[in-house]
Amino acid sequence: QKEVEQDPGPLSVPEGAIVSLNCTYSNSAFQYFMWYRQYSRKGPELLMYTYSSGNKEDGRFTAQVDKSSKYISLFIRDSQPSDSATYLCAMSANSGYALNFGKGTSLLVTP
Amino acid sequence: DTGVSQNPRHKITKRGQNVTFRCDPISEHNRLYWYRQTLGQGPEFLTYFQNEAQLEKSRLLSDRFSAERPKGSFSTLEIQRTEQGDSAMYLCASSPNEVYGYTFGSGTRLTVV
Repeated sequence: QKEVEQDPGPLSVPEGAIVSLNCTYSNSAFQYFMWYRQYSRKGPELLMYTYSSGNKEDGRFTAQVDKSSKYISLFIRDSQPSDSATYLCAMSANSGYALNFGKGTSLLVTP
Repeated sequence: DTGVSQNPRHKITKRGQNVTFRCDPISEHNRLYWYRQTLGQGPEFLTYFQNEAQLEKSRLLSDRFSAERPKGSFSTLEIQRTEQGDSAMYLCASSPNEVYGYTFGSGTRLTVV
């Protein structure tokens, strides 16, 4: 079993919908949690980061971490076709060190 | 300097040949990372430098792989005697010290035929 599990989808939603993406993990030492967005044939782009448990909001994006359940989520409000991409969760035990990525969830937002 | 630059963008090579990729990080970023990503998978960590020192290597980094970061600036990743299983996207990333997350380049796509 991999340390980070993420449903690969694909997930298809209509424009304007609220999107919920999530990951589970097994390593209780993880305390730095990130979400990256990756467009086809591009490198991952950092969207959100969270330290330890709690919520963080940035515009249409909200990241949640529940360390007791080893579960993290990314919510996208008012989704747009330009949000269509693969979303990768990533986490590590120490800041600035190797990240453990999920497989990524492919999201398609249809007009 | 607008981001992490990787060259070449694409490389096709015959099995058994050696290849070398280059990464130019964001200026003054002390940390530099190499990852490998195959289709349908998330990036997998290969190795990490702080300045010119290679501090961590994944067991994925076999003896055929070597990475350098002379003078703590750009980095190179060399793969000797390439195999078809080496076909992947090779991603480089950089960050300042003690910052959550880091900035990735667009990657070098390697195809071994």
